[in-house]
Amino acid sequence: AQTVTQSQPEMSVQEAETVTLSCTYDTSESDYYLFWYKQPPSRQMILVIRQEAYKQQNATENRFSVNFQKAAKSFSLKISDSQLGDAAMYFCACYGGATNKLIFGTGTLLAVQP
Amino acid sequence: SQTIHQWPATLVQPVGSPLSLECTVEGTSNPNLYWYRQAAGRGLQLLFYSVGIGQISSEVPQNLSASRPQDRQFILSSKKLLLSDSGFYLCARGEFFTDTQYFGPGTRLTVL
Repeated sequence: AQTVTQSQPEMSVQEAETVTLSCTYDTSESDYYLFWYKQPPSRQMILVIRQEAYKQQNATENRFSVNFQKAAKSFSLKISDSQLGDAAMYFCACYGGATNKLIFGTGTLLAVQP
Repeated sequence: SQTIHQWPATLVQPVGSPLSLECTVEGTSNPNLYWYRQAAGRGLQLLFYSVGIGQISSEVPQNLSASRPQDRQFILSSKKLLLSDSGFYLCARGEFFTDTQYFGPGTRLTVL
């Protein structure tokens, strides 16, 4: 079974500053993938970043990067130079290759202050 | 383009009425397709997934069912809606080589 835990229900950051969202996970699978999704007020789920568990190098997509600590089963998201448009609910998720299931955390609501 | 369409965008239905939500995918053949439900202020719950026509795996049977009559069409149904069926329903497709799921715009269902 897979579980994903996001311990920060809400976070706030000043525009142009950096914020880190936390996520821990647990899985019995050796082949898995980790994701961060963004859900703005429109409620459409938008892929932010993806990490293959077999890769040691942390994934980066423009202002978004992750800190993947496999032994600790930690997968945090760092948003640099925060913008007003980054305000949204952020979900961490884990996909198991054997189970074909994407399991989501409960989300972190990020507010960006001008 | 591998756009995902969901119809309708919004739906208000009385308790006990039937339900049919449609998801169609453009551009890709034989995608894995998924139905999720999101209750207000909560994360996503996987309801059904399909790896091909007529192949449905159920995670939360209850009073919902799913069908895949065509390669790029995935339908979520119910014969009699319950109040607890209210929520936001998202369809997703899986990308084969990256195991990444991409989501449609969703359907907001309110059962009164």
